[in-house]
Amino acid sequence: GAGVSQSPRYKVAKRGRDVALRCDSISGHVTLYWYRQTLGQGSEVLTYSQSDAQRDKSGRPSGRFSAERPERSVSTLKIQRTEQGDSAVYLCASVLGGGTEAFFGQGTRLTVV
Amino acid sequence: AQTVTQSQPEMSVQEAETVTLSCTYDTSESDYYLFWYKQPPSRQMILVIRQEAYKQQNATENRFSVNFQKAAKSFSLKISDSQLGDAAMYFCAYRCIQGAQKLVFGQGTRLTINP
Repeated sequence: GAGVSQSPRYKVAKRGRDVALRCDSISGHVTLYWYRQTLGQGSEVLTYSQSDAQRDKSGRPSGRFSAERPERSVSTLKIQRTEQGDSAVYLCASVLGGGTEAFFGQGTRLTVV
Repeated sequence: AQTVTQSQPEMSVQEAETVTLSCTYDTSESDYYLFWYKQPPSRQMILVIRQEAYKQQNATENRFSVNFQKAAKSFSLKISDSQLGDAAMYFCAYRCIQGAQKLVFGQGTRLTINP
């Protein structure tokens, strides 16, 4: 596709369950970011990975959040043992490199009940 | 650590008027990029304008322009001739050229356009 796509658009999870959110980024893009967006705290970086697809550089280390990048243009954000405070919009963004713009997906709205 | 601050949670402007959104940032780096992104209700962030820190000239994109003050670490966005379609959340962002290259966002400013 031409842009970044995320799936699912909406996800409801029971507290304590694990969830996985998918991001299909743009082929050739080097850096891929995951953000959590809430009304009170804006957009915080959860994790990002650069050209080394096997390494996950966490911007905000947390034992419950991890990202896998099985292919250069695919990333899966995993949240273990979800909590109600994890309810938010999760955005994925990819960057070709340098100062070029980041392309964003439409986000996944996660609701933990 | 780099931080970006937007001190205006909400702003409103009359259609066709001009509005300025404020942004300040903190960094010890000398080479970096600054961005303004727009996020409409559809949630997809769209790049509005970009500024390279090494350039003294302020970036301009049609009705959008910035006032980049490197010494003051200020990066405001001016929207001229505001249109109803400009209504959205606006995020200021910073990205270092070297090292981690983390893209850091401000808290956002919700812009309302009054007809």
